[in-house]
Amino acid sequence: GDSVTQMEGPVTLSEEAFLTINCTYTATGYPSLFWYVQYPGEGLQLLLKATKADDKGSNKGFEATYRKETTSFHLEKGSVQVSDSAVYFCALTIQGAQKLVFGQGTRLTINP
Amino acid sequence: NAGVTQTPKFQVLKTGQSMTLQCAQDMNHNSMYWYRQDPGMGLRLIYYSASEGTTDKGEVPNGYNVSRLNKREFSLRLESAAPSQTSVYFCASSDPGRGNQPQHFGDGTRLSIL
Repeated sequence: GDSVTQMEGPVTLSEEAFLTINCTYTATGYPSLFWYVQYPGEGLQLLLKATKADDKGSNKGFEATYRKETTSFHLEKGSVQVSDSAVYFCALTIQGAQKLVFGQGTRLTINP
Repeated sequence: NAGVTQTPKFQVLKTGQSMTLQCAQDMNHNSMYWYRQDPGMGLRLIYYSASEGTTDKGEVPNGYNVSRLNKREFSLRLESAAPSQTSVYFCASSDPGRGNQPQHFGDGTRLSIL
């Protein structure tokens, strides 16, 4: 079946450090890939998405590239801020399917 | 810009009590979803509704029922709450007919079963 595997957390970094959160997937069709972010006490918000191979999604300084050859969609940011502290979820959906499949989430804490 | 609204935000129940979680969206989306979020397990789909009048089981439907009351509203019912149903519940909506559009989430209902 379809699945998403994320880098184990929690991840703790200092402000202005470089961030990578790894995400790999298994899918039977041609998935679209998403990163969602959940700030404390809130629901999930879409951070970025990519719908086909080699697409790069970007938002708020975060980027992720859809790599079909390595079935990966790693999240990166060049210089993190304290306000980026949150839980990040990688997810996929197959064209025409109703369901999102989520990774287990990675908790990120940024220290000043 | 209300988006997806869930009520209540918090609830404590005793084992065996019943409860309905409410969800409404104002984006004219066809599809709606109920998830539960447990530590270290991400979000797991309980039930979803592809369109008004239809519902389907997700990954973890046991112990729950749903009703798609109309296009806007999708409720989740616990008939006899159990401690294993202590979780954070999220409702979401989307419009898959427009391609792989993202799901929009409510702020969640934090439910504790004693």
